[in-house]
Amino acid sequence: NAGVTQTPKFQVLKTGQSMTLQCAQDMNHEYMSWYRQDPGMGLRLIHYSVGAGITDQGEVPNGYNVSRSTTEDFPLRLLSAAPSQTSVYFCASSYDSRSYEQYFGPGTRLTVT
Amino acid sequence: KQEVTQIPAALSVPEGENLVLNCSFTDSAIYNLQWFRQDPGKGLTSLLLIQSSQREQTSGRLNASLDKSSGRSTLYIAASQPGDSATYLCAACTSGTYKYIFGTGTRLKVLA
Repeated sequence: NAGVTQTPKFQVLKTGQSMTLQCAQDMNHEYMSWYRQDPGMGLRLIHYSVGAGITDQGEVPNGYNVSRSTTEDFPLRLLSAAPSQTSVYFCASSYDSRSYEQYFGPGTRLTVT
Repeated sequence: KQEVTQIPAALSVPEGENLVLNCSFTDSAIYNLQWFRQDPGKGLTSLLLIQSSQREQTSGRLNASLDKSSGRSTLYIAASQPGDSATYLCAACTSGTYKYIFGTGTRLKVLA
């Protein structure tokens, strides 16, 4: 198993540009989530999904969209990048969030200038 | 609203010492609490997950305990080694939600 994969590893955007961060898992996990990690603030939940076709907002959803058309993939879209979205983004998955451990991807480091 | 706190923010100990990392949470209605390790520039690795009905979990030199009534969890590391140097994070999944709330972590340095 490849586990949780994320692409790209690094990305630089200009303010106002849009892009999609990719996340995929091959463990047949139902639960997937996106976090951002900023210095001094820990990890904050952006969006999550409990299965294909079902998504919901986390703590900091503004400026981000998600969709879940398959069990394996959970892309995160930045609609119009802002410098405040400069961060490290992590995708995670588990069989479900309540009883099983979460597995994390290696992260995407995003800089918005 | 669930809040998770980890104190201290940083800790430096000599090799071989037994140590305890602390995690506090404000809402005791949780499904589980999970401990993670993060190496610099890397993703998170799950160490231990404690269900709300459990009091502790063990894996090798690691032991995590959970006291819901006091809103506390501790991660005990026995006979620390330089390879244990990393940031340790805890996260609580609040009942009635599918959301994990993370603490800001404890940065551990084990000196050889």
